[in-house]
Amino acid sequence: QKEVEQDPGPLSVPEGAIVSLNCTYSNSAFQYFMWYRQYSRKGPELLMYTYSSGNKEDGRFTAQVDKSSKYISLFIRDSQPSDSATYLCAMSSSSGGSYIPTFGRGTSLIVHP
Amino acid sequence: SAVISQKPSRDICQRGTSLTIQCQVDSQVTMMFWYRQQPGQSLTLIATANQGSEATYESGFVIDKFPISRPNLTFSTLTVSNMSPEDSSIYLCSVEDGGKQAIEETQYFGPGTRLLVL
Repeated sequence: QKEVEQDPGPLSVPEGAIVSLNCTYSNSAFQYFMWYRQYSRKGPELLMYTYSSGNKEDGRFTAQVDKSSKYISLFIRDSQPSDSATYLCAMSSSSGGSYIPTFGRGTSLIVHP
Repeated sequence: SAVISQKPSRDICQRGTSLTIQCQVDSQVTMMFWYRQQPGQSLTLIATANQGSEATYESGFVIDKFPISRPNLTFSTLTVSNMSPEDSSIYLCSVEDGGKQAIEETQYFGPGTRLLVL
């Protein structure tokens, strides 16, 4: 079993739809939960992070962490074609002051007009 | 935020040759990382490179195959040695600014180097 599981998709939705992206994990030591967005031919960029359990909202994006279920989600409201990208979840236990993350495989999202 | 550039952006190489990838950051950073991203696979950490010390390699990666240099706080190189088609991948440089308090300010990635080995 991999430490972080993520469905690679692709996930295709119409513009304006609510998108739900999810990851599960097995390491209970993870404390920091991150979502990266990676456009084609670009490096990943940190989109959102959450510490421990709970929700965090930033504009059209909401990140949720359920540590009891070892399950994290990223919701995108009113999805736009510009949201088309690969979304990678990542998790870290902040060992020795460093946040070196463990990544999921990424989910390819396609938002069509 | 740190701005990272990588050279080359892409290359096609012959089996048995070596390629050195450069990573340049626009500010001094404490930690630099090299990742590999193979199609359909998660980002895999190859090694951590701190200035003034030997790189620390993750399980499955060795210095003879992936020698790394970190001569100063803004630059690093990764060499992929004696390449085979299995080394075809995207190689990404990443930095962590340990001087920042918030995690959202710490992790930045370069644009990647796309390597195809024939």
